Amino acid sequence: DSGVTQTPKHLITATGQRVTLRCSPRSGDLSVYWYQQSLDQGLQFLIQYYNGEERAKGNILERFSAQQFPDLHSELNLSSLELGDSALYFCASRAREGADNEQFFGPGTRLTVL
Amino acid sequence: GNSVTQMEGPVTLSEEAFLTINCTYTATGYPSLFWYVQYPGEGLQLLLKATKADDKGSNKGFEATYRKETTSFHLEKGSVQVSDSAVYFCALTVTGGFKTIFGAGTRLFVKA
Repeated sequence: DSGVTQTPKHLITATGQRVTLRCSPRSGDLSVYWYQQSLDQGLQFLIQYYNGEERAKGNILERFSAQQFPDLHSELNLSSLELGDSALYFCASRAREGADNEQFFGPGTRLTVL
Repeated sequence: GNSVTQMEGPVTLSEEAFLTINCTYTATGYPSLFWYVQYPGEGLQLLLKATKADDKGSNKGFEATYRKETTSFHLEKGSVQVSDSAVYFCALTVTGGFKTIFGAGTRLFVKA
């Protein structure tokens, strides 16, 4: 158990809909990262927050948005869903900035868009 | 820019065989290097790391040495087990950087 929690575990929805994925980082971790993992296993970095502020952006679509709240939990909002958005979405947290510090991953949310 | 290249899979081995998964990197500055493992149905977890040149990371029988001269961080294990079947990701973080760059992942199958 990494200490990072994600809800829901599974989500099935239809094209055009909007969903919200939730992540709670490890206690005390200020950084939250979101990743998308496609069926062919590639891991794509979406966005990072640090103590409530957006810190880095990756290949995040305009239909996707995220935020980190004062209690440090984060939400990833996916709208106008398409079939291609079906994937595993992982959240990770890190104790502090510094290149030698690893990330701790949650168990993921499996999104299926029908 | 910063990037990580790792060998394509899947890699299929018999139990007790020797494992090598190659990983090379391109980075500005002085990166820290990581191997993460993803078991079926789970999130990634850190397997080992090395934060400076010539450091060797090790865990659960796996080893990798940070080779600055060849910009490599190859993962090795002397005798794999069926339970090692997973996807392995090589990754780097550059000093002062906020992002971790992941390789594409290598799937390992170990047969009994």
